[in-house]
Amino acid sequence: QVQLVQSGAAVKKPGASVKVSCKASGYSFTSHYMHWVRQAPGQGLEWLGVINPRGGSPTYAQKFQGRITMTMDTSTSTVYMEVSSLRPEDTAVYYCTRDPISYSTSGCFDPWGQGTLVTVSS
Amino acid sequence: DIVMTQSPDSLGVSLGERATINCKSSQSVLYSSNNKNYLAWYQQKPGQPPKLLIYWASTRASGVPDRFSGSGSGTDFTLTIRSLQAEDVAVYYCQHYYGPPPITFGPGTKVDIK
Repeated sequence: QVQLVQSGAAVKKPGASVKVSCKASGYSFTSHYMHWVRQAPGQGLEWLGVINPRGGSPTYAQKFQGRITMTMDTSTSTVYMEVSSLRPEDTAVYYCTRDPISYSTSGCFDPWGQGTLVTVSS
Repeated sequence: DIVMTQSPDSLGVSLGERATINCKSSQSVLYSSNNKNYLAWYQQKPGQPPKLLIYWASTRASGVPDRFSGSGSGTDFTLTIRSLQAEDVAVYYCQHYYGPPPITFGPGTKVDIK
């Protein structure tokens, strides 16, 4: 079955960077766009951006332009998201999630990774 | 950006009764060329990632029980749980995926047992 397995929790100091990984299995990695969504503690869902595993530039939410970088490694079916210049308000669970439509993007998300808690604290 | 709102913020429903959640978008998410509403619903239980329930406003995702249904068009949408079960206690989010980014979510509606 389709699975997205993310890297473990991280604790970072303000100003540092964090890189979260998401390893996909159970489907053709290059046939589905991958999105990233975050959820601050007790809060709602916030879309961060999307990457096309067949190549091309990722698309980022304007709010995060310049601070987020999405990359991929097709040899290991893994996507990565790096957030730089971390602030306490970046403390959140970060999810990778697949677009269920092959070779295109619908913009809805299924399934989701288990989430990675990133804590930013001095 | 399209702003999504939901009502109510929280909802207490007796087991076996109907739960209705409303979602409104600040502009239409109906794409006229294919007559599809770019609107999805998710269920999130405590400590778990969200789960896709409904897409294209009214199409149930694979494996979703038929007590869940979505309706609406344009800017006004509804998620209905026909006969609430204990396992349906969760927060429910609507989400648009219309047009250029950003994709945005509603603030969520918490459903509890009354």
